[in-house]
Amino acid sequence: NAGVTQTPKFRVLKTGQSMTLLCAQDMNHEYMYWYRQDPGMGLRLIHYSVGEGTTAKGEVPDGYNVSRLKKQNFLLGLESAAPSQTSVYFCASTQQGNSPLHFGNGTRLTVT
Amino acid sequence: AQSVAQPEDQVNVAEGNPLTVKCTYSVSGNPYLFWYVQYPNRGLQFLLKYITGDNLVKGSYGFEAEFNKSQTSFHLKKPSALVSDSALYFCARNRDDKIIFGKGTRLHILP
Repeated sequence: NAGVTQTPKFRVLKTGQSMTLLCAQDMNHEYMYWYRQDPGMGLRLIHYSVGEGTTAKGEVPDGYNVSRLKKQNFLLGLESAAPSQTSVYFCASTQQGNSPLHFGNGTRLTVT
Repeated sequence: AQSVAQPEDQVNVAEGNPLTVKCTYSVSGNPYLFWYVQYPNRGLQFLLKYITGDNLVKGSYGFEAEFNKSQTSFHLKKPSALVSDSALYFCARNRDDKIIFGKGTRLHILP
């Protein structure tokens, strides 16, 4: 049982490049979340999904897009990366809002 | 209004002493409250949650938290700190379907 898997683990981008971060969960969870973690800022919610085919904006959605075409996968896209998007990105999933989140191990992204 | 606030960036406690990590939450609906811990270079791990019922919630690794409605607080506690408890701790609550986190408190347990 792998839980929540994030790929890639590390990535370096140049300003203006695009990339997609993949989150996959094998627990049949309905809810999935993307967060970014920055020093002194805690975890900030980027986008989330409450089920296959649905997405919604979180606290800091600008510059990011997401898709949930399959229940087990939640993709986070950066169309034109900026240095301000240098961060550690975490994906999490849960079955419902009052249940604990299961986190992936994170993706460390550097934009130069 | 901020959903959850962790007023301390860092807390230092001597090994064997009791520890408290503070969290206050915004008054909005019936809150679901959570504590998570993050060890270096790892994702977050769930410690405990309050949904309803008893105000004192017990969780993993000997941690507990007290839900205080009048003070809108959900402080994390442990009777006797271990060096291995040193980590980054996050309080979180629901807001509709979102789960919002505080900024985190770094706990240092001094040998």
